[in-house]
Amino acid sequence: GEDVEQSLFLSVREGDSSVINCTYTDSSSTYLYWYKQEPGAGLQLLTYIFSNMDMKQDQRLTVLLNKKDKHLSLRIADTQTGDSAIYFCAEIPNDYKLSFGAGTTVTVRA
Amino acid sequence: NAGVTQTPKFQVLKTGQSMTLQCAQDMNHNSMYWYRQDPGMGLRLIYYSASEGTTDKGEVPNGYNVSRLNKREFSLRLESAAPSQTSVYFCASSEASGTGAHEQYFGPGTRLTVT
Repeated sequence: GEDVEQSLFLSVREGDSSVINCTYTDSSSTYLYWYKQEPGAGLQLLTYIFSNMDMKQDQRLTVLLNKKDKHLSLRIADTQTGDSAIYFCAEIPNDYKLSFGAGTTVTVRA
Repeated sequence: NAGVTQTPKFQVLKTGQSMTLQCAQDMNHNSMYWYRQDPGMGLRLIYYSASEGTTDKGEVPNGYNVSRLNKREFSLRLESAAPSQTSVYFCASSEASGTGAHEQYFGPGTRLTVT
């Protein structure tokens, strides 16, 4: 979706932190989402953040939201090989229709 | 619960052939969606159905039709397949959670090649 932008690739060493960044355009989005897609599978909801929050933490995942700059990030602490996947940022600018970024392919190297 | 199921998993068509992709969900969700996924473009919405009996166009509806057969099932039809429709197709369903967030659940996808 052209309204949500992400970098396409990220390579990270096992055990390090990964940070995936996303910018979005519609300031009326109530929620912003992160999805994970493993090879050959559908998308799985990882986490979401309400637009009036700055941060949300869920185990190894931390979501940061800068509403002024329309910038969203996902931090994965202690990245593992099982975290290798494509990560999608998404917003809902209208009704129930999610608008997705192109996805960031995260590769975890030993 | 099986969640969202899609059939077939793989399909090869010749240009001009038609086919229907099937999707079913057992979560009693009102909203259902069809997306296509192409490299470097993320997911693009083809059609969606906010509730049984209603359908609406998404971002890329040309060349497709849909039917919301009942609350469980939402099918996508290609009447005359074109090579540009080679893609991975995902069905999804959603319902507002207790927090108000719309959590979408995705099927495993159908990999379609049109030659």
